[in-house]
Amino acid sequence: KQEVTQIPAALSVPEGENLVLNCSFTDSAIYNLQWFRQDPGKGLTSLLLIQSSQREQTSGRLNASLDKSSGRSTLYIAASQPGDSATYLCAVGSGGSYIPTFGRGTSLIVHP
Amino acid sequence: DVKVTQSSRYLVKRTGEKVFLECVQDMDHENMFWYRQDPGLGLRLIYFSYDVKMKEKGDIPEGYSVSREKKERFSLILESASTNQTSMYLCASSHRGGWSYEQYFGPGTRLTVT
Repeated sequence: KQEVTQIPAALSVPEGENLVLNCSFTDSAIYNLQWFRQDPGKGLTSLLLIQSSQREQTSGRLNASLDKSSGRSTLYIAASQPGDSATYLCAVGSGGSYIPTFGRGTSLIVHP
Repeated sequence: DVKVTQSSRYLVKRTGEKVFLECVQDMDHENMFWYRQDPGLGLRLIYFSYDVKMKEKGDIPEGYSVSREKKERFSLILESASTNQTSMYLCASSHRGGWSYEQYFGPGTRLTVT
């Protein structure tokens, strides 16, 4: 059974820092990995989707990488801003199932 | 722009009431999901539907049922609401095929059962 872990659970950084959020998974036979952002009391917003054949995806200041062999993905946020404060979740699709496995998320605070 | 909508952002119901949560997507997606999210427990899947009238139980189906009569609409039903069903409920949808399965979420319904 796929298990997804996100470390750290919480992170606080000053504005302007480049930062990396981690997502690890136990079964490397995945077909995709998706990063989401969630603001307090709101739904999840899709940030990036990486297919199993891809190594990375970029959107603006965000870059997500995937290393299936080591069971890891990272979300890199460049030049962080207070507006980036949110919880970031990763979800892994694997095992021929339409149902992804979610991590618990990393709660990020970017302070001015 | 893709869109998943949920019938209510906030809902307050009394114990024992029958509660309906509606979710509609406009992307012609085959797959639809209902999750609940609680602090410290993360996202937990209640039910999943991969086609009209088709459904599968998720991790925590007890006390819930679902209905999918049309492709775009997936309803979650609390047969007799209880206080331990106070939670944030999230609906999602995804396409079946092409190995993408990118999920799109609605804004959530914050349900309080008193």
